[in-house]
Amino acid sequence: GENVEQHPSTLSVQEGDSAVIKCTYSDSASNYFPWYKQELGKGPQLIIDIRSNVGEKKDQRIAVTLNKTAKHFSLHITETQPEDSAVYFCAASNNNAGNMLTFGGGTRLMVKP
Amino acid sequence: DTEVTQTPKHLVMGMTNKKSLKCEQHLGHNAMYWYKQSAKKPLELMFVYNFKEQTENNSVPSRFSPECPNSSHLFLHLHTLQPEDSALYLCASSQDTFRELFFGEGSRLTVL
Repeated sequence: GENVEQHPSTLSVQEGDSAVIKCTYSDSASNYFPWYKQELGKGPQLIIDIRSNVGEKKDQRIAVTLNKTAKHFSLHITETQPEDSAVYFCAASNNNAGNMLTFGGGTRLMVKP
Repeated sequence: DTEVTQTPKHLVMGMTNKKSLKCEQHLGHNAMYWYKQSAKKPLELMFVYNFKEQTENNSVPSRFSPECPNSSHLFLHLHTLQPEDSALYLCASSQDTFRELFFGEGSRLTVL
């Protein structure tokens, strides 16, 4: 089955700096890679996703990159703000097989004002 | 307000108790899920229901018993739990099993 590793487990940045979270996956058949954000006391919420037919996707201050050869993908947050503080989860699945998502262990991001 | 509603938000129970967690969605989704979230561990998929039929049981102990009476409601019946079962239990729904997951806020369970 799929195995997703996520690093770092905690990340502290100054407001305005960039933050990068990295994930690796094991199943070369995986083709769907979403990122979820979980704020304190809430459930995870999808913030961006990427499919294997593209290498990069951007939505305002967040971007995701995918390297299928190396089997890793990353989340980039620019101009971080205190409200970006949360736990971020990456995930991977093979949508063609209707597979369930496999989640990484999560990264706690703290943005200091 | 979240679109997937879970009750209760907090539950404390003894090892001999029987209790149930409830999840409700009115998004028109046909798939519903139970996940377990423990400290310092990845989200663990427990059960999946698609059109009210259970399609996944991720080797979950029988002391956890799911029930899906219709596509909008999902229950998790709990009995003779262990302290290590203490965790946040998250319910989610999606249009299909490979689409975006919409999570509830979770039920925080403490087993004494």
